[in-house]
Amino acid sequence: AQTVTQSQPEMSVQEAETVTLSCTYDTSESDYYLFWYKQPPSRQMILVIRQEAYKQQNATENRFSVNFQKAAKSFSLKISDSQLGDAAMYFCAIMDSGGSNYKLTFGKGTLLTVNP
Amino acid sequence: EPEVTQTPSHQVTQMGQEVILRCVPISNHLYFYWYRQILGQKVEFLVSFYNNEISEKSEIFDDQFSVERPDGSNFTLKIRSTKLEDSAMYFCASRLPRDRGQPQHFGDGTRLSIL
Repeated sequence: AQTVTQSQPEMSVQEAETVTLSCTYDTSESDYYLFWYKQPPSRQMILVIRQEAYKQQNATENRFSVNFQKAAKSFSLKISDSQLGDAAMYFCAIMDSGGSNYKLTFGKGTLLTVNP
Repeated sequence: EPEVTQTPSHQVTQMGQEVILRCVPISNHLYFYWYRQILGQKVEFLVSFYNNEISEKSEIFDDQFSVERPDGSNFTLKIRSTKLEDSAMYFCASRLPRDRGQPQHFGDGTRLSIL
């Protein structure tokens, strides 16, 4: 079974500064995918960034980047130049690529507050 | 951009009643999912659906739960006899299997409150 742990229930950051959200996971699979989803209040979960486990290069999407440490099973999200619109619940998730259903296993989430 | 839509946004039901949660996945997606999130807890996988049948279900998805894709566009989750512990946010998701890393797209969720 796969597990995802987000050790920070809440984080806060000043606008324009950088924040890192932590995520560790456990899996017996060698081929898997990792995701960060963002959920603004009362809104749908939106994909922020994804990482393929077989790629060593860390994924980057504009102000969002990850630090993927496969041996340590760590997948942290860095948000640079934080904006007020970044305030949301952030979920780390792992996708099982074995079998045929590609289900997601989520962490409990980190609530990010951005202070003006 | 196409979205997954869920209705209703909030459903209040008496314990023991049947409830149907509705989802319209993105039109060319082929994998469909239901997840739930009890307040303060993790988002948990309930069931996946592909090629008109359940491809995997979790321990939570017992005989009280069923899913259906009745008309090629809607994807429904039915709870036959609701219990207090079914109170949660239920998320529908869909996925286009263009490649194995293709992400799931989520709806806004339905908040189910059992009284």
